[in-house]
Amino acid sequence: DTGVSQDPRHKITKRGQNVTFRCDPISEHNRLYWYRQTLGQGPEFLTYFQNEAQLEKSRLLSDRFSAERPKGSFSTLEIQRTEQGDSAMYLCASSSVGGGRTGELFFGEGSRLTVL
Amino acid sequence: GESVGLHLPTLSVQEGDNSIINCAYSNSASDYFIWYKQESGKGPQFIIDIRSNMDKRQGQRVTVLLNKTVKHLSLQIAATQPGDSAVYFCAEKPPDGGYNKLIFGAGTRLAVHP
Repeated sequence: DTGVSQDPRHKITKRGQNVTFRCDPISEHNRLYWYRQTLGQGPEFLTYFQNEAQLEKSRLLSDRFSAERPKGSFSTLEIQRTEQGDSAMYLCASSSVGGGRTGELFFGEGSRLTVL
Repeated sequence: GESVGLHLPTLSVQEGDNSIINCAYSNSASDYFIWYKQESGKGPQFIIDIRSNMDKRQGQRVTVLLNKTVKHLSLQIAATQPGDSAVYFCAEKPPDGGYNKLIFGAGTRLAVHP
């Protein structure tokens, strides 16, 4: 399978703990995105990278959230001191600059976070 | 902030019928729109897109219509099949943002009955 993969698929944690999600994009894609999706809602943009550079962050991304893409390949999203309001599906997507359909993002299956 | 919304949260259709999913957007300056399909337990999947200089675009069994006068977007699915059952999202590219920062609506669930 050469699609976007995310790990773990599910994470249950206690409030105040730190969690980290990993995303492996499609190998030839240089853009990588993180979105958050709550039940019954559409995905909300969090941040995106072009290669290893983080080019944009949403105001939704509080100081407790940090994303990295150190070598321009996989990315991690860390949430520190989790709160119950962080419970959501965290979606990663990738795309290539100049290739494919303009707005086509290739999404992974997501990492579902439950904060108790 | 401005957002993309949907008229109907749930749509039930019989297999073989045509489906129409509607979406209202609030930013008249948005210049690009996309429909995504999300099956249970999966990430959203691109279906079709349309630029604001067009009012209709057709794909395989799907057609997107754009009415800029009333800021309305629709997705038509011909001969709906059980595999079309999913949640459908419209998304827009804000005029001050790039293709990287799509704004998604809340979604419409399509249920196809045999």
